[in-house]
Amino acid sequence: AQSVTQPDIHITVSEGASLELRCNYSYGATPYLFWYVQSPGQGLQLLLKYFSGDTLVQGIKGFEAEFKRSQSSFNLRKPSVHWSDAAEYFCAVGAGNTDKLIFGTGTRLQVFP
Amino acid sequence: DVKVTQSSRYLVKRTGEKVFLECVQDMDHENMFWYRQDPGLGLRLIYFSYDVKMKEKGDIPEGYSVSREKKERFSLILESASTNQTSMYLCASSFGQIYNQPQHFGDGTRLSIL
Repeated sequence: AQSVTQPDIHITVSEGASLELRCNYSYGATPYLFWYVQSPGQGLQLLLKYFSGDTLVQGIKGFEAEFKRSQSSFNLRKPSVHWSDAAEYFCAVGAGNTDKLIFGTGTRLQVFP
Repeated sequence: DVKVTQSSRYLVKRTGEKVFLECVQDMDHENMFWYRQDPGLGLRLIYFSYDVKMKEKGDIPEGYSVSREKKERFSLILESASTNQTSMYLCASSFGQIYNQPQHFGDGTRLSIL
């Protein structure tokens, strides 16, 4: 069965700094990969998704993610973080052998001015 | 834009009560889901449905049931609420194949069982 790991529970960055949030998955074939963001008191909003093709995926709010098959990773990046990016971020993986998406446990991002 | 609406943002109930959480989506999606979200545990799937009157157990169905009488509405039922069911509950919907389509989420219901 597939699984997804977000190794960082909590990350703190300064406003304007670059950001990388890690996501590692376990699955034998190419999975379907998603990143979501959850602002305080809100539901999850889709940032971007990877199905196939170009391994660098652009999303909303200036985020991008890169699929690296050799590392089983799908890390989320942003070149310059804004205070409004403070939120919880979830990576999710889907695979053809199961009828659900598997979500990671999330990374909470804190942004200092 | 897809709109998934959960009937309550906050709910307080007593132990032993039967609790109903309602979710409505406006995009004619076949699939609907109920998750609970707890700190450090991420999202855990309770039940999902891929069609009217169809339901499938997720990872933690014990103590819960669901109802899907109409395509746009998916209800989560706590048969006899207990304090360990205090949590944030999230509803989501999607179309097509569940494993390769993004899910669209409501804003959640924070449920407290006293």
